[in-house]
Amino acid sequence: AQSVTQLGSHVSVSEGALVLLRCNYSSSVPPYLFWYVQYPNQGLQLLLKYTSAATLVKGINGFEAEFKKSETSFHLTKPSAHMSDAAEYFCAVTTPLGGYNKLIFGAGTRLAVHP
Amino acid sequence: DAGVTQSPTHLIKTRGQQVTLRCSPKSGHDTVSWYQQALGQGPQFIFQYYEEEERQRGNFPDRFSGLQFPNYSSELNVNALVLGDSALYLCASSSFDQETQYFGPGTRLLVL
Repeated sequence: AQSVTQLGSHVSVSEGALVLLRCNYSSSVPPYLFWYVQYPNQGLQLLLKYTSAATLVKGINGFEAEFKKSETSFHLTKPSAHMSDAAEYFCAVTTPLGGYNKLIFGAGTRLAVHP
Repeated sequence: DAGVTQSPTHLIKTRGQQVTLRCSPKSGHDTVSWYQQALGQGPQFIFQYYEEEERQRGNFPDRFSGLQFPNYSSELNVNALVLGDSALYLCASSSFDQETQYFGPGTRLLVL
């Protein structure tokens, strides 16, 4: 069975500071990993994904994440936070096998950015 | 290129009623998945449809059922609504055997 743990339900940073959102996964087979962002009253927008190619993945809006198999982690970072980054962030895992690709999500991390 | 669309955006029902939610996938996608997101939680997988058949199902009761039509659009039906069904229902589309799912804006259901 697969699972995702996001450490820290709430993270608060100052504008311009480093953003670090933590995600650890559990999977018995090689995983595909995703980060999605959800703004208030909206659906989920894909930030970036890892699909067994490069372990350092760059996404939209200056975000990136590094897949570390030894640590079973896929933490999301951004060097300098912007006020517009305030949102809920979800880490998700899947293993497409024969087209079956349901996503297993973590509980989410709410990012607050203050001036 | 239109993304994933869902209707309605909001819905209020009372306990015991039935509800139908609709989803049109992104152009070129043939697979539709449905997720339930309760307040303050991550989305939970309900089921996935491909070729008009349910391919996978999450841990949801039989009150939750779905359909997929030849044009790949999909419906989620929930019977005998209970208070706990209040949530944001998200539809995601993808191409079969592709890993990335694209989400619609969701339908927020309130059960009173």
